[in-house]
Amino acid sequence: EIVLTQSPGTLSLSPGERATLSCRTSQSVSGRYLAWYQQKPGQAPRLLIYGSSSRATGIPDRFSGSGSATEFTLTISRLEPEDFAVYYCQHYGISPPGTFGGGTKVEIK
Amino acid sequence: ELQLVESGGGLVQPGGSLRLSCAASGFTFSTYAMTWVRQAPGKGLEWVSGMSGSGGTAYYADSVKGRFTISRNNYRNTVYLQMNSLRAEDTAVYYCAKDRSGGWLDDAFDFWGQGTMVTVSS
Repeated sequence: EIVLTQSPGTLSLSPGERATLSCRTSQSVSGRYLAWYQQKPGQAPRLLIYGSSSRATGIPDRFSGSGSATEFTLTISRLEPEDFAVYYCQHYGISPPGTFGGGTKVEIK
Repeated sequence: ELQLVESGGGLVQPGGSLRLSCAASGFTFSTYAMTWVRQAPGKGLEWVSGMSGSGGTAYYADSVKGRFTISRNNYRNTVYLQMNSLRAEDTAVYYCAKDRSGGWLDDAFDFWGQGTMVTVSS
């Protein structure tokens, strides 16, 4: 089973700063099967990125995804107040169909 | 408007059973795989079970295999999660989620319900 490790656990930044979140997989995976989600307190997760770099419908272009093999990155170019949340990466498509990383909390510094 | 509405959660004793439902609307339900994901209080997301659009294929996390059963009724646009032999560690918010592109459990989840809370405690 593929294990996803996200780092850092918490990222303390100010609005307007750039956020770089990492997701490392325990074995090489196709970027086609890597997604990122955002979750705010008391809300369901929201899909941001699928296929490692494709933005989901309605997602602002300050969110971007990149990476390959075992190293994937979610970048938020300039943090807006509504971006402070927990972010999860996910590997999907292969049994089991949906393994999540442990999450990175982006908090206001 | 696309909607997923979960129901059926509640308080149950260890060893008990619950059946969760997720009623879908706003899309052609039978053409999309559906998944259950849970989140224990203060913890991360855990994929639980998924079913193809036709209902012919189902997958389970090891942690629930043999205890939980996913099913769907494409006439009622509803996916279910039958949970038996419940344990304290099954306590979580349970979300249903829709596959982004189709019926084969091979894509990200582009829409989620608001979740239903399951508490397993004596």
